[in-house]
Amino acid sequence: QQQVKQSPQSLIVQKGGISIINCAYENTAFDYFPWYQQFPGKGPALLIAIRPDVSEKKEGRFTISFNKSAKQFSLHIMDSQPGDSATYFCAASRDNYGQNFVFGPGTRLSVLP
Amino acid sequence: GAVVSQHPSWVICKSGTSVKIECRSLDFQATTMFWYRQFPKQSLMLMATSNEGSKATYEQGVEKDKFLINHASLTLSTLTVTSAHPEDSSFYICSARGVVQGRINTEAFFGQGTRLTVV
Repeated sequence: QQQVKQSPQSLIVQKGGISIINCAYENTAFDYFPWYQQFPGKGPALLIAIRPDVSEKKEGRFTISFNKSAKQFSLHIMDSQPGDSATYFCAASRDNYGQNFVFGPGTRLSVLP
Repeated sequence: GAVVSQHPSWVICKSGTSVKIECRSLDFQATTMFWYRQFPKQSLMLMATSNEGSKATYEQGVEKDKFLINHASLTLSTLTVTSAHPEDSSFYICSARGVVQGRINTEAFFGQGTRLTVV
């Protein structure tokens, strides 16, 4: 019940295209869903996060879509750029600062110039 | 935004020695810190959770006598890998959640990670 599934494992997109990464969770107690971007040799950095009271959140080129009934959420990167090439992790947590995050297995995104 | 500083960024040590990794929250109170281990091309694996002033809670399969965690203050947690062996070589990452600018903050802030190589 603690698992977060993520797909695809890897993704190749042309510059300017849309990158879409999907995640699914099982634990209905989760109420905070962040996405992290990680470059090689660096720690993860928060990209965007959503709570279940909204179905979509947009920040610049990054959009999270959230489907509470399906227990799924996805990250859309519009106008993908080579600088977006990184590993992306979805995560889920209780909205409580003492709670750990459960991470998805990650998606390696490559944006071709 | 809140900043977590992790040091060192990389370390090479001899088998049998101990290595200490520091994780500092620079501008907020880290009431809870998490330590992760990450193997190449894999996700983050939680090792332990520590609350300031309390003993760390270790995940199943993580040896608490080998990976000593101390969270003595609201701004500092340390992970000591004792009697390190080559199989302990990995990327270790800390993260912190807590009180930012006087408000309880949900977001987790991550350190830069430490690449440990045991030879």
